[in-house]
Amino acid sequence: GQSLEQPSEVTAVEGAIVQINCTYQTSGFYGLSWYQQHDGGAPTFLSYNALDGLEETGRFSSFLSRSDSYGYLLLQELQMKDSASYFCAVRDQGSARQLTFGSGTQLTVLP
Amino acid sequence: EAGVAQSPRYKIIEKRQSVAFWCNPISGHATLYWYQQILGQGPKLLIQFQNNGVVDDSQLPKDRFSAERLKGVDSTLKIQPAKLEDSAVYLCASSLAGDLNEQFFGPGTRLTVL
Repeated sequence: GQSLEQPSEVTAVEGAIVQINCTYQTSGFYGLSWYQQHDGGAPTFLSYNALDGLEETGRFSSFLSRSDSYGYLLLQELQMKDSASYFCAVRDQGSARQLTFGSGTQLTVLP
Repeated sequence: EAGVAQSPRYKIIEKRQSVAFWCNPISGHATLYWYQQILGQGPKLLIQFQNNGVVDDSQLPKDRFSAERLKGVDSTLKIQPAKLEDSAVYLCASSLAGDLNEQFFGPGTRLTVL
């Protein structure tokens, strides 16, 4: 099975940089995804890492270290609209390639 | 491109009653997923379809939950009978066949069991 750990809450101010960490334990690892979910909204895809290293998409970057079973999501130039829950999710190597989500990190951006 | 559609958006039922949720995935998406999201937790996969076949239903409580995708497009998820602990948001998602990266989620159905 899989288990993921991420902080439950993070608070930062507008314009700042914040890093949300995710550690995982899995019997078979295929990749690490990040999703954003606003209150009452649907999860939306942010990024996916299958290989070690940093992936950058605008203000958001995601990093993966397979040897450390660790990844993070980096949010730069924080905006109020970035206040949301952020979930890391691992994809396993089974035939279904199912996603297992962490419990989420509630990010609050203060003015 | 239209997104994933779900209905109803909200449902309140008494325990031991039955309830059904409907999902229409993005056109052309062969893979369809049903997730359960309890307040304060991440989505948990209940069942995954590839076209009209079940790929994974290992976490579906089959004594009370059932799902079908008869024509490989729309899907329904049913709970019969409901328990208090079934109170959650039920999310439907879809993805292109073979796309291992991005799943597109619908707005969800918020179920309250009293």
